Amino acid sequence: EMQLVESGGGLVKPGGSLRLSCAASGFSFSVSSINWVRQAPGKGLEWVSSIDPTSNYIYYADSVKGRFTISRDNAKNSLSLQMNSLRVEDTAMYYCVRLAGGNPIYYFDYWGQGTLVTVSS
Amino acid sequence: SYELTQPLSVSVALGQTARMTCGGNNIGSRSVHWYMQKPGQAPVLVIYRDTNRPSGIPERFSGSNSGNTATLTISRAQSGDEADYYCQVWDTNFAGVFGGGTKLTVL
Repeated sequence: EMQLVESGGGLVKPGGSLRLSCAASGFSFSVSSINWVRQAPGKGLEWVSSIDPTSNYIYYADSVKGRFTISRDNAKNSLSLQMNSLRVEDTAMYYCVRLAGGNPIYYFDYWGQGTLVTVSS
Repeated sequence: SYELTQPLSVSVALGQTARMTCGGNNIGSRSVHWYMQKPGQAPVLVIYRDTNRPSGIPERFSGSNSGNTATLTISRAQSGDEADYYCQVWDTNFAGVFGGGTKLTVL
């Protein structure tokens, strides 16, 4: 069974840092592009970042560019999101999501259950 | 960047057909995908590439896309279909774009 399991969420003060992790199993992680998508409480979905299988192609939403860093370890089937200079508006559930399709048609076919990040003083 | 517009809410009587729209400039030239999200749960892909259903999604779910509007249609609506529905496309600057979401209520 395919699984994406996020961890690392929690409460952090504005300006602080947090590192999210995503453990993958049940599919070929090393040939899959993986993304982070977030959802603020009571709000809609927002794409955050994408990383291709070789880590050669990495993209960020403008709202997190320069503050967040996505990375992966194919040997460990794991994905990370280093979040620095956190803001109150970064408060959200963060989902680890597999990206399916091919250029230029991409969609999210499998989602983790999410990890909650709360930025508050 | 590209924008998608969805109505905040749609209501449908039990057993009837629900139609939820997703508007965007010439969206018919893009490929649209749809997700269902029930309260407290992660989103689930229900339609990809305009009209395709992943395995496990009932045939009652269908999609279309033309001109400036894409549509998700749910036939014979059930109480279990109550959820938020999001449309999504992929932007040319390599970024995912979601609509604001539509809350479906089954009366």
